[in-house]
Amino acid sequence: SYELTQPPSVSISPGQTARITCSGDALPKQYAYWYQQKPGQAPLLVIYKDSERPSGIPERFSGSSSGTTVTLTISGVQAEDEADYYCQSADSSGTYWVFGGGTKLTVL
Amino acid sequence: EVQLVESGGGLVQPGRSLRLSCTASGFIFGDYTMSWVRQAPGKGLEWVGFIRNKASGGTREYAASVKGRFTISRDDSKSIAYLQMNSLKTEDTAVYYCTVGGASWGQGTLVTVSS
Repeated sequence: SYELTQPPSVSISPGQTARITCSGDALPKQYAYWYQQKPGQAPLLVIYKDSERPSGIPERFSGSSSGTTVTLTISGVQAEDEADYYCQSADSSGTYWVFGGGTKLTVL
Repeated sequence: EVQLVESGGGLVQPGRSLRLSCTASGFIFGDYTMSWVRQAPGKGLEWVGFIRNKASGGTREYAASVKGRFTISRDDSKSIAYLQMNSLKTEDTAVYYCTVGGASWGQGTLVTVSS
């Protein structure tokens, strides 16, 4: 079955730039979406269609795509950005959703 | 404002059934595909399945882990999506969320499958 691969954890100091990657063979053909999830809360969409930012999401969140890897970049990380981040896309046919395993972002 | 409210969760024995509901407001429900996503305790997000809107045929897709046991349906007149879960297993224990294209999510409802 199709899988998206994320690093389990990323640690960063406040004010620095965090980059979280997500790899999958179908990513050149299918859009990627990024979700932020804080403990006890539902996921929150922070990036859609690889690089689009929903209204209300701070400009420090951005997304990019290159080949089979997509990247969520958080510039000038703040303490409130500490959360789990999940990428999501579809299989090559565009039928089934797939989530990455999630990356725990720790702000030191 | 888009609102999604899940209900119907609870404790159920293995092999039994449960039906979850997702009541929507703030948008034209019938125009959208409705999806279900679950999260086992301490684990990541797992897509369960979705039901397309009627204009797209109202067809359904399911994850392999639930296909043949779970059924998604919708009542556009009531703006409700359902997740019928049969032959439940302990590994189905999770918080179940409904979502509209990932852009809006409910608060989730906990399903615990245990004897």
